Amino acid sequence: GAGVSQSPSNKVTEKGKDVELRCDPISGHTALYWYRQRLGQGLEFLIYFQGNSAPDKSGLPSDRFSAERTGESVSTLTIQRTQQEDSAVYLCASRLGGSSYNEQFFGPGTRLTVL
Amino acid sequence: GNSVTQMEGPVTLSEEAFLTINCTYTATGYPSLFWYVQYPGEGLQLLLKATKADDKGSNKGFEATYRKETTSFHLEKGSVQVSDSAVYFCALSDGNDYKLSFGAGTTVTVRA
Repeated sequence: GAGVSQSPSNKVTEKGKDVELRCDPISGHTALYWYRQRLGQGLEFLIYFQGNSAPDKSGLPSDRFSAERTGESVSTLTIQRTQQEDSAVYLCASRLGGSSYNEQFFGPGTRLTVL
Repeated sequence: GNSVTQMEGPVTLSEEAFLTINCTYTATGYPSLFWYVQYPGEGLQLLLKATKADDKGSNKGFEATYRKETTSFHLEKGSVQVSDSAVYFCALSDGNDYKLSFGAGTTVTVRA
């Protein structure tokens, strides 16, 4: 009965380094989303996975960002050659899938700071 | 494209005061509308939702009515408590992928 979990909770890195963020969705949820929340702003959609379909990558801000998902389980978001503007809270959400009435359940987020 | 505009904060109220947070949206189709809340130190959670025009979502004393004619989904609560202190986000979902477009968030602080 665990909710969506994310790791690490905090990540501090130097400019130019690569980082990998992990999301464990709720078991059985076929849909998974990544969002980014910059300080003082709303959440921006990054990428969406639904089952075995090709992911919707339309929100990824640059080719330095990529994400993978293994089946209907864990997802990792990778940011290569990090820049200071990548500093944000990265949120993952999962949804049961199917009906549009199913809500998205959010994880606690990973706070990324790029020095 | 889709967008959500909500009232800027921060908002500071006394207990038992009336709270309203304005939210308007732009969407290409017929979106579902949501209010999410983020309490201090906690993750984002759904507060209420409405899926079609004139629907009213309600939860924990909060209400919001889906107004298609004014493209609005204002959040209201008649008597706030200290425990309502949080950041509130208005959001919409439009399309089969159900990805959410969020407003910038409104920080609400309720003082005893």
